Amino acid sequence: QVQLVESGGGVVQPGRSLRLSCAASGFNLNVFGMHWVRQAPGKGLEWVSFFSAEEARGFYADSVKGRFTLSRDKSKNTVYLEMNSLGVEDTALYFCARDGPHWDVDWWGQGTLVTVSS
Amino acid sequence: QSALTQPASVSGSPGQSITISCTGTRSDIVNYNYVSWYQHHPGKAPKLIIYEVNNRPSGVPNRYSGSRSGNTASLTISGLQAEDEADYYCSSKGSIIRVFGGGTKLTVL
Repeated sequence: QVQLVESGGGVVQPGRSLRLSCAASGFNLNVFGMHWVRQAPGKGLEWVSFFSAEEARGFYADSVKGRFTLSRDKSKNTVYLEMNSLGVEDTALYFCARDGPHWDVDWWGQGTLVTVSS
Repeated sequence: QSALTQPASVSGSPGQSITISCTGTRSDIVNYNYVSWYQHHPGKAPKLIIYEVNNRPSGVPNRYSGSRSGNTASLTISGLQAEDEADYYCSSKGSIIRVFGGGTKLTVL
């Protein structure tokens, strides 16, 4: 059974950092890429980043490029999203999700909430 | 990269059909057969309901169907049921990995 569990969200001041975790079970992160998608309050989904299993590197939306960094721990089957220089515009529910075989996103976690506020 | 354009809301009565549109550009919908649709009940994980424009994952009822014409993809839900009330998002392969639509709230009257 595929399961994705996000953690690490919380309240943080503008300019500070936060690291989100996404623990995967039921499949191997060496094989599947992983996305982070966020939903700001009252807004729609926004694609944030993608960790390519093949290339072992991250791709980022322009809105977070240079501030967010993806990494993977194979031994824990977990991906991480390191978020630096956070701004109020980064306040959102952050979902991790598995890259599907048809350029889709076939499994999603329930999300972890990040609130950037002074 | 701009988000795909969806109507903010649609509504229909039980048993009726509704269609949600998703408009993109040559950077996404026009050039790729990789349009997918997601159902999201707030508080739960989003769920993939359509992939590659018009394919349903196992377990998704055939009341859900997808199509594309030019730069616009569409999701049609026939025989509306109360449990279809949710937010719906389209997505496409884009110039930078993925792009999502702004979402459409479906209300079942």
